Amino acid sequence: KQEVTQIPAALSVPEGENLVLNCSFTDSAIYNLQWFRQDPGKGLTSLLLIQSSQREQTSGRLNASLDKSSGRSTLYIAASQPGDSATYLCAVLSGNTPLVFGKGTRLSVIA
Amino acid sequence: DAGVIQSPRHEVTEMGQEVTLRCKPISGHNSLFWYRQTMMRGLELLIYFNNNVPIDDSGMPEDRFSAKMPNASFSTLKIQPSEPRDSAVYFCASTLTGGHTGELFFGEGSRLTVL
Repeated sequence: KQEVTQIPAALSVPEGENLVLNCSFTDSAIYNLQWFRQDPGKGLTSLLLIQSSQREQTSGRLNASLDKSSGRSTLYIAASQPGDSATYLCAVLSGNTPLVFGKGTRLSVIA
Repeated sequence: DAGVIQSPRHEVTEMGQEVTLRCKPISGHNSLFWYRQTMMRGLELLIYFNNNVPIDDSGMPEDRFSAKMPNASFSTLKIQPSEPRDSAVYFCASTLTGGHTGELFFGEGSRLTVL
């Protein structure tokens, strides 16, 4: 059974810092991995989708990498801004099961 | 496209009452998912449909929960009777499957409070 873990559970950084969020999964036979952002009281917004054949995806200040063999993904946020404050979740699609989610990392960027 | 649309956004009800949550997926998507989110357990998959057919309902907590998808543009999640422990945010999501490449899109959620 696929399990997804995100560390740390919470992170606070000063504005302008570059930061890395981590996601690990137990079954490396995945189809894709997706990073989401969730603002308080809101739904999940898809940030980046990495297919199993890809190593990374970039969108603006965000870069997500995937290492299937080690069961890890990272989300890199460059030059963080207060508007980046949110909970970031990763989710993995594998086998015949729908996305399995981690519990998220709650990010606070302090101005 | 308007995205995944859920209603109601908020519902407060008393224990024992019936609750019906509604979802309209993105037009053209053929898979629909119902998730429940709580602080303690995070996001849990309740049930998902593919081409309007329920594929896996093993996440549905009890017989009090039921879900239907009568057509490609509408789904309901019903709780009868509701209990305080059902209080959570319920999310609907949709995707276009095929080759397992589908990106999942979420609605804004329905926040349920059962008193």
